[in-house]
Order: sequence, then C-alpha cells, then structure tokens
Amino acid sequence: GQNIDQPTEMTATEGAIVQINCTYQTSGFNGLFWYQQHAGEAPTFLSYNVLDGLEEKGRFSSFLSRSKGYSYLLLKELQMKDSASYLCAVRRDFNKFYFGSGTKLNVKP
Amino acid sequence: GAGVSQSPRYKVAKRGQDVALRCDPISGHVSLFWYQQALGQGPEFLTYFQNEAQLDKSGLPSDRFFAERPEGSVSTLKIQRTQQEDSAVYLCASSLRFPAGGQETQYFGPGTRLLVL
Repeated sequence: GQNIDQPTEMTATEGAIVQINCTYQTSGFNGLFWYQQHAGEAPTFLSYNVLDGLEEKGRFSSFLSRSKGYSYLLLKELQMKDSASYLCAVRRDFNKFYFGSGTKLNVKP
Repeated sequence: GAGVSQSPRYKVAKRGQDVALRCDPISGHVSLFWYQQALGQGPEFLTYFQNEAQLDKSGLPSDRFFAERPEGSVSTLKIQRTQQEDSAVYLCASSLRFPAGGQETQYFGPGTRLLVL
C-alpha cells in the first residue's frame, strides 16, 4: 500500500482559516487530489495538484511539494457547511488512487 | 446530466448470503472504479475497468469478491458467502477518459452500505 497520513480530526471556528496537512510516500506519483465527504455521502472533488506550488480556487487552496511528499488544503472564511471529512488522495501511474483515512473537520460557531 | 448511481443504497445480508451491488456510471465514462470504505476510513481501491476490460483487480480482498462490466457501462460487484468483515460502504466512481491525466478526476456514486449480520 501507500503511506498517506493526515490528522484524524480538527476543530476550527466559523470565519477562521484552517490548514489540513497530508504527507505521502509513493512511486509513480501522478497527482494529488483533495475530496470533501459529508457524513453518509459520496466524496466530491475539491482540488488537484501535480506541480509544486499553490492552486487557489475560491475559499479553498491546495499546496504541493513533491520533494517533501507534502500537501495541504487551506480553507478560508470557514462556514458551518464546511464541517465534513477531507480526504487526501494520491494518484499513482494513470488510474490508481490511494486515499488517506480522512480528516474530520468540525466547524463551531 | 445524471451522476453516478448505485443500488441498492442499503443492504442487510445474513452471513453466508451472496449479494450483488450495481453501479451505473456517468454515460460515456470509460473508466470505472470500485472502492470499499470502512467506517472512519478513506476509500480503499478494489478494482478498475476500462470499458468492459477489468485491468486491475489487485484490491479485491478475496476470491469471494467478483466484479464485471460486460457491456462497458453498468457494473456489478458480487460478494459470495458474505462475512461480517465485509460490512462497509461500497463506492463506485467513474471518469471520462483512459489513461487519466491532468485534472481528470473521478465522480463518485452515493455508495451501497452493506451490513452483514
């Protein structure tokens, strides 16, 4: 398997900024994805990185450092609806996706 | 357009019973994936199809698990002689092209929640 590590749970306040980290070890790296998954629902795509650097998409940004095997997802202006699990996934070669266990984010008022 | 659909959404099976889980991918999507997601965990890869060809089944946990996609669209995941450890959510996902590159992501179905008693 692949070693993909992310924190189990985080808590943040509405309106704040939170950073969710992900580290990985893999061969054949072909992109890193972040997904959001609300309880009992399907994962939905948030962001994609294949080159080093920051990708910004509205309130969500994702960063990648391939040499360090590290990524983070940055959520700004947190809203209550952002309470969900956030999954880091590494694509290996062309079509093999490996997921971390997910980080459960609790947004409190 | 319709997304990925799965049926049934919930299935309760007695230990030893056979079950069949269905996935309808997005129309025209070439690639189809099955994942198993245990409670509090991320999805674990089971198997992958390009059209009707099963190109990778390395994630299937035992020979009790079998998947098919005979006409390159609908797929069925079959579990024979179910065991309690098979209890999980089974997710299906599809993507447009093969090989996948760039921002080609997967679109997930809502999953089938299987409980084996």
